Amino acid sequence: NAGVTQTPKFRILKIGQSMTLQCTQDMNHNYMYWYRQDPGMGLKLIYYSVGAGITDKGEVPNGYNVSRSTTEDFPLRLELAAPSQTSVYFCASSPAAPGELFFGEGSRLTVL
Amino acid sequence: AQSVSQHNHHVILSEAASLELGCNYSYGGTVNLFWYVQYPGQHLQLLLKYFSGDPLVKGIKGFEAEFIKSKFSFNLRKPSVQWSDTAEYFCAVNGNTGGFKTIFGAGTRLFVKA
Repeated sequence: NAGVTQTPKFRILKIGQSMTLQCTQDMNHNYMYWYRQDPGMGLKLIYYSVGAGITDKGEVPNGYNVSRSTTEDFPLRLELAAPSQTSVYFCASSPAAPGELFFGEGSRLTVL
Repeated sequence: AQSVSQHNHHVILSEAASLELGCNYSYGGTVNLFWYVQYPGQHLQLLLKYFSGDPLVKGIKGFEAEFIKSKFSFNLRKPSVQWSDTAEYFCAVNGNTGGFKTIFGAGTRLFVKA
């Protein structure tokens, strides 16, 4: 059972570069989320989606963009990477809202 | 604004000691409450949840939590911890007035000495 799959697991970026974190789920969940986890700060919601074609901002959306063209995929794009975006990023999905979240294994991003 | 507060950021216990981790929330409306656990090197997974009914809920690995509505609290407990409980624990809340967003606390790092 794959569940929620994130790629890549690790990435180092230079300041100003761009990249996309991929997230795919095979549970047919409508709701998907991107969080970032920083030490001592817990998880902060970046963006979320309630279904294909629908996305909305979370607590910390600046510097990020998302799209949701299919139920399965919810990529997170970083434009013009900054050191403040160094973090661990988690994608999650949920079958209902509000409800339990199912997490991917995370993507550790370092911006130098 | 909706928020979740976890009182202890770091807890160190010896094996067999009892555990209680505090969680308070600020949220208008009906709430769903969760505890997630993150073992070293792993992703977050659900420990237990409260949606409605009996305010004392039991989760995996002997954990339980009690929802006290009057205190806006959802504290996590375990009578006797094991070395394998070393992990970071997150309290989280969502509900019908928060849209589809789950808000997390800052987390509590638990270290259990063998």
